[in-house]
Amino acid sequence: EVQLVESGGGLVQPGGSLRLSCAASGFTFSSYSMNWVRQAPGKGLEWVSYISSSSSVIYYADSVKGRFTISRDNAKNSLFLQMNSLRDEDTAEYFCARGHSIDVWGKGTTVTVSS
Amino acid sequence: QSVLTQPPSASGTPGQRVTISCSGSSSNIGTNTVNWYQQLPGTAPKLLIYSNNQRPSGIPDRFSGSKSGTSASLAISGLQSEDEADYYCAAWDDSLNAWVFGGGTKLTVL
Repeated sequence: EVQLVESGGGLVQPGGSLRLSCAASGFTFSSYSMNWVRQAPGKGLEWVSYISSSSSVIYYADSVKGRFTISRDNAKNSLFLQMNSLRDEDTAEYFCARGHSIDVWGKGTTVTVSS
Repeated sequence: QSVLTQPPSASGTPGQRVTISCSGSSSNIGTNTVNWYQQLPGTAPKLLIYSNNQRPSGIPDRFSGSKSGTSASLAISGLQSEDEADYYCAAWDDSLNAWVFGGGTKLTVL
């Protein structure tokens, strides 16, 4: 079964950092690009970042550029999102999602930025 | 303000057919294919339609998608109570180098 499981969310103060992880199973992780997508409470979906299968191509939403860093470890079937200089507006459920067509989603991990 | 424009709400009675529109521009829907996602309350989004009109395995044929120019539509026929959910359209935007989503449409089954 194809599965994505996020972890690493939590409560952090404004200006703080957090590192999210996504463990992939049930498919050849190294063959797929990956994405992070977030959803603020009661709001719609917002794409955050994309990384190609070999990490050679990376894109970020303007709202996180310069603060967030996406990376992956194909040997460990894992995707990461390093989030620095966190702001109140980064509070959201963060989903990892597979592929250039975003066809499979994890269940998400909650990030709350508050003092 | 979302790059793709959807109506915030839609409704229908059981058995009815409803459509949800999604309007974009030449850099996203006009150039690339459209996906539709269904998000049931408290759950992660699920891919409903990909490549404008293709259904993943397990998605009933009551769900269909279409695209024309810079707009796309999702149609749900034979509406059922379990279809009550939020629906989102999405497409890659070549100018932004980003996935863009619609603001979502909350479907109510009356």
